[in-house]
Amino acid sequence: GAVVSQHPSWVICKSGTSVKIECRSLDFQATTMFWYRQFPKQSLMLMATSNEGSKATYEQGVEKDKFLINHASLTLSTLTVTSAHPEDSSFYICSATAGGAHQETQYFGPGTRLLVL
Amino acid sequence: AQSVTQPDIHITVSEGASLELRCNYSYGATPYLFWYVQSPGQGLQLLLKYFSGDTLVQGIKGFEAEFKRSQSSFNLRKPSVHWSDAAEYFCAVGPTGYSSASKIIFGSGTRLSIRP
Repeated sequence: GAVVSQHPSWVICKSGTSVKIECRSLDFQATTMFWYRQFPKQSLMLMATSNEGSKATYEQGVEKDKFLINHASLTLSTLTVTSAHPEDSSFYICSATAGGAHQETQYFGPGTRLLVL
Repeated sequence: AQSVTQPDIHITVSEGASLELRCNYSYGATPYLFWYVQSPGQGLQLLLKYFSGDTLVQGIKGFEAEFKRSQSSFNLRKPSVHWSDAAEYFCAVGPTGYSSASKIIFGSGTRLSIRP
């Protein structure tokens, strides 16, 4: 149980285009989802926290107009990188939490590798 | 503010040898502590967590960790490593009163290599 999926697993796009990444909790309802960014050989940096049905809370320094987060249902959150540029190339990882038997543990998706040319 | 330090960037151990990965945290109260493992190109998998109670925590894949308040440490151990343990290991801390909406702070990670 407690599986989180991400789609796509990798994406290459041209500079200036927008890319949408999906994060789904497959076997539980995720009241909260988190989006992280990871640069090569570095740790995870939290970008934003999203709760179902409400606006995401962005970390300091993260442009909310550039990284649009939607958490429309208890099993789906999306991250849209708008007008992507090469510096947005990174590994994006989502995680989700749920109550009940899984308590507060964050379960992570496999990540999406974005390359902007 | 919370912080997590993993002093070792890269560790190499021989297969079958014991392992200890260090983690130190900075937090005013009792934190919630986690160890995650990340295999190349993949997301993170929870190895174990400490919320309260017994300070020696057992996790998956034969890992254990010990919470030592006096040393502000939460070191990860395994008595005998396998080649499949080669990965990046992250220690993380959450705040007192941690809930499903709480943020956790990750350490910089320790890369584990296994010598045949």
